[in-house]
Amino acid sequence: DTEVTQTPKHLVMGMTNKKSLKCEQHMGHRAMYWYKQKAKKPPELMFVYSYEKLSINESVPSRFSPECPNSSLLNLHLHALQPEDSALYLCASSQDRAGPYNEQFFGPGTRLTVL
Amino acid sequence: AQSVTQPDIHITVSEGASLELRCNYSYGATPYLFWYVQSPGQGLQLLLKYFSGDTLVQGIKGFEAEFKRSQSSFNLRKPSVHWSDAAEYFCAVGPNNAGNMLTFGGGTRLMVKP
Repeated sequence: DTEVTQTPKHLVMGMTNKKSLKCEQHMGHRAMYWYKQKAKKPPELMFVYSYEKLSINESVPSRFSPECPNSSLLNLHLHALQPEDSALYLCASSQDRAGPYNEQFFGPGTRLTVL
Repeated sequence: AQSVTQPDIHITVSEGASLELRCNYSYGATPYLFWYVQSPGQGLQLLLKYFSGDTLVQGIKGFEAEFKRSQSSFNLRKPSVHWSDAAEYFCAVGPNNAGNMLTFGGGTRLMVKP
């Protein structure tokens, strides 16, 4: 299985809602990533988990809260988002942070719209 | 700090024509270089990667790229483009000082004329 899955595919939420994005991989990868991608732009790194520990937070607002319950799962909890947070949220995984095996495998993304 | 430049925001080619997408990088050491493709509303798919060794690397879907250290370039090529190749293409370099992070270029949108 060389796939990263993400649910839901689409999400529409109001600014007062609480929702979660889910990402799953079964490749035995120990690094997982959240990216935000606005239209016609490259992905921007948000968070990195390495061995289920948060290792990088790229100064993301606290209304985004990541969670890594186990080595296969990555969640992104959303609360009190703003319309400018509307974007495609991509999850990725890689074998490890260090060494040459750092190819990142991406999921299909969750298209988030904040009203 | 490393950076990646994709000079062409949009490129249009005719189906069956050859393709070259440019990528220039700035990096202090030997880089790991990647090309990803993204179809509309989809995630990124790795086309090919360069870590070391032969500077001409072959990827999926008939793509290849050549690493030229002297020019700090990693251009993507395909001899004959198919309509299904229309997509956004991202060049990336890694790792950065924080570890296994990728720095992406701004992307090149490829359109294919019938």
